[in-house]
Amino acid sequence: NAGVTQTPKFQVLKTGQSMTLQCAQDMNHNSMYWYRQDPGMGLRLIYYSASEGTTDKGEVPNGYNVSRLNKREFSLRLESAAPSQTSVYFCATRQGTSGSYNEQFFGPGTRLTVL
Amino acid sequence: QKEVEQNSGPLSVPEGAIASLNCTYSDRGSQSFFWYRQYSGKSPELIMSIYSNGDKEDGRFTAQLNKASQYVSLLIRDSQPSDSATYLCAVARTGAGSYQLTFGKGTKLSVIP
Repeated sequence: NAGVTQTPKFQVLKTGQSMTLQCAQDMNHNSMYWYRQDPGMGLRLIYYSASEGTTDKGEVPNGYNVSRLNKREFSLRLESAAPSQTSVYFCATRQGTSGSYNEQFFGPGTRLTVL
Repeated sequence: QKEVEQNSGPLSVPEGAIASLNCTYSDRGSQSFFWYRQYSGKSPELIMSIYSNGDKEDGRFTAQLNKASQYVSLLIRDSQPSDSATYLCAVARTGAGSYQLTFGKGTKLSVIP
């Protein structure tokens, strides 16, 4: 039972390159989230998926796209990476869909550097 | 704009003492409150959740909630060096089709042996 897994753990990109961050969970949770964490800025929500088949923008969605591939997997894509996207990216999951008091559980993170 | 405020610290306490971490929030409609612990280079780990006014105890941790004052706190009794980490306060309100957490920037705790 791995919980929430993220790949890759580390990545270095050049400006303009694209990549996809992968997140998978075996907790049978309905909701999934992508956050970025920057020094002095705290955790900020990029996109989330309240349930399979739905996605919504969070606080900082510009420059990103997401896909909820199935209940288990939620990917984050950078189409044309910029140095401002250098950050640590966390995926999180939550059991409920809405209206219920459920905690979020985080994956180990992906450390991304854009040169 | 929903805001969650925490003192960034660092907060230094001697081993065995009580560490007190505080958090205020601006959204009066908030309904769920969480404390996460984050070690350097690691992901946030949920340590406490609280939904009703009052105290909730779990081992050495006590969460306190006062919705009227829009204030949440975390007490760590008998602090250990292994408690040295950044503690994140998170707050949520639920709405139709959505459930989002707003995080504070965290308080760095250092427990001195």
